[in-house]
Amino acid sequence: ELKVEQNPLFLSMQEGKNYTIYCNYSTTSDRLYWYRQDPGKSLESLFVLLSNGAVKQEGRLMASLDTKARLSTLHITAAVHDLSATYFCAVEGKNFGNEKLTFGTGTRLTIIP
Amino acid sequence: EPEVTQTPSHQVTQMGQEVILRCVPISNHLYFYWYRQILGQKVEFLVSFYNNEISEKSEIFDDQFSVERPDGSNFTLKIRSTKLEDSAMYFCASPRTVTDTQYFGPGTRLTVL
Repeated sequence: ELKVEQNPLFLSMQEGKNYTIYCNYSTTSDRLYWYRQDPGKSLESLFVLLSNGAVKQEGRLMASLDTKARLSTLHITAAVHDLSATYFCAVEGKNFGNEKLTFGTGTRLTIIP
Repeated sequence: EPEVTQTPSHQVTQMGQEVILRCVPISNHLYFYWYRQILGQKVEFLVSFYNNEISEKSEIFDDQFSVERPDGSNFTLKIRSTKLEDSAMYFCASPRTVTDTQYFGPGTRLTVL
């Protein structure tokens, strides 16, 4: 059974600082996603990582994937208040396409002015 | 992002009543998923649906749950006899193609009293 762990669960950081959220998963997977969720809202797709060594960046967020270590990171650079949200990683099953997503526990990020 | 719509946005029901949650995915999508998220918890897979058949379901998806695509566009999740523990956000997700990102609808908040 695929298990996905995120840490930390809660993260409070000051504006302007850098930090990293970690996502570990237990079995081989073809795709890893990062989603953002604001309170009471749906899941917004941020990144899809498809291969070992994949790195994607959008604004102050950068995601990377190491399939050998079964680890993905979401790095936040020079945090701003608008980035406050809960971030989930989700791993797709081994068969490429049409596979359910298994989600991590989420990291609730709070940016303090 | 492509738009997946869901209705209603909020449903309040009495325990033991039947509810039907609706999802209208992007036209021509073939793959559909239902997930749920109990307040403050992670997102959990319920069921996947392809070519008018269930392709996979989780342990949560017991005999009280059913899915169908009655008219070729709407995709419904029915809970026959709701329990208090069914209170959650229910998300429909659908990718454009088998290899595409799963885009999430806005969700239906189900409250069982």
